[in-house]
Amino acid sequence: GQQLNQSPQSMFIQEGEDVSMNCTSSSIFNTWLWYKQDPGEGPVLLIALYKAGELTSNGRLTAQFGITRKDSFLNISASIPSDVGIYFCAGRKTSYDKVIFGPGTSLSVIP
Amino acid sequence: NAGVMQNPRHLVRRRGQEARLRCSPMKGHSHVYWYRQLPEEGLKFMVYLQKENIIDESGMPKERFSAEFPKEGPSILRIQQVVRGDSAAYFCASSAQLGQNTEAFFGQGTRLTVV
Repeated sequence: GQQLNQSPQSMFIQEGEDVSMNCTSSSIFNTWLWYKQDPGEGPVLLIALYKAGELTSNGRLTAQFGITRKDSFLNISASIPSDVGIYFCAGRKTSYDKVIFGPGTSLSVIP
Repeated sequence: NAGVMQNPRHLVRRRGQEARLRCSPMKGHSHVYWYRQLPEEGLKFMVYLQKENIIDESGMPKERFSAEFPKEGPSILRIQQVVRGDSAAYFCASSAQLGQNTEAFFGQGTRLTVV
């Protein structure tokens, strides 16, 4: 069954606003990943996190690996129209395990 | 350097027919993963293969579905006697090896429609 939960399920924001979304699990993960999926395309990796407490940035995106190892969040600063899409968190329980995906957060940016 | 290539991009099959989905991993990648995505949902793990071996098939339905990754050629996901519920997007990902800092890259998917 589903092991990752994402919130919010969907967001509608004004262009220029900051965005925050998170992902939680009932299990400990040793890797957290954030992907973006555009309509009709495959997921594209945005940020990978490997250590509890790690904070990593990729341009306007910042993600953190929760201290408890059961959660992660993604922030997007100064949103632009091309940020529209579905953001998936994903994780692995061990370095050699399959990657499990959350249900996604749908982001809409109003110009 | 070509990415993960999946074909066909769109596939229409009548109920009872067979569907074959192909995935060519990135050059140098020997690990392949298949995921299924239903509309408005996340990606569900199906199977993980390393050249000629199935490593983890815990997400594969017990019947009608099979996967292979031969020594030569692409990985194939085969669905026999398709039913309407098989309609979904099927994504393949590949990686060079397991372990930290070796994340997988996804293809553009095959959208299967069963009519």
